[in-house]
Amino acid sequence: RKEVEQDPGPFNVPEGATVAFNCTYSNSASQSFFWYRQDCRKEPKLLMSVYSSGNEDGRFTAQLNRASQYISLLIRDSKLSDSATYLCVVNPLDYTGGFKTIFGAGTRLFVKA
Amino acid sequence: DADVTQTPRNRITKTGKRIMLECSQTKGHDRMYWYRQDPGLGLRLIYYSFDVKDINKGEISDGYSVSRQAQAKFSLSLESAIPNQTALYFCATSDLAGDTGELFFGEGSRLTVL
Repeated sequence: RKEVEQDPGPFNVPEGATVAFNCTYSNSASQSFFWYRQDCRKEPKLLMSVYSSGNEDGRFTAQLNRASQYISLLIRDSKLSDSATYLCVVNPLDYTGGFKTIFGAGTRLFVKA
Repeated sequence: DADVTQTPRNRITKTGKRIMLECSQTKGHDRMYWYRQDPGLGLRLIYYSFDVKDINKGEISDGYSVSRQAQAKFSLSLESAIPNQTALYFCATSDLAGDTGELFFGEGSRLTVL
């Protein structure tokens, strides 16, 4: 089982639609969580952190469910410019002081006019 | 200008050749990373460095080596390239809070090994 799993999609939605992505992680000791966005042939960029109480940034809402070990990203009122791959990122706790950030393979979103 | 710069952006080479990918950053971050990205596999960590004297292997370090020449420079070498090293390579940086904070990526280096 992969440490971080995402539905690869693609999700094809019309403009204005609401779309949600889930991401599951296997390490229950994971400490911090993020969503990154990656445009085609571009570098990943941080979209938003995911906080335990859930958080919102404009049309984007991120949720964390520690009991079920998943995080979600909800996009409301989709825009053409939201078309991208969304990467789920998890930081497990590492007592050795090492670096353990793990990226999911990404979920592709296409928003159509 | 990009804060994290990678060179070359694209490279085609032959099996057995030595390749170096270079990364420089102007963000003043201590931590630097090299990742490769393959379709369906996501980003996988090759090597990382928390400061100039620190080098650590990542998930997939076999066949690669790195050099941290200065705080701002971190290069990745393929001593003898093979076709399954064909991938998109990203350099990234983060500040001291890197394990809970944001990674800043370069624009990527696309390597093709024939």
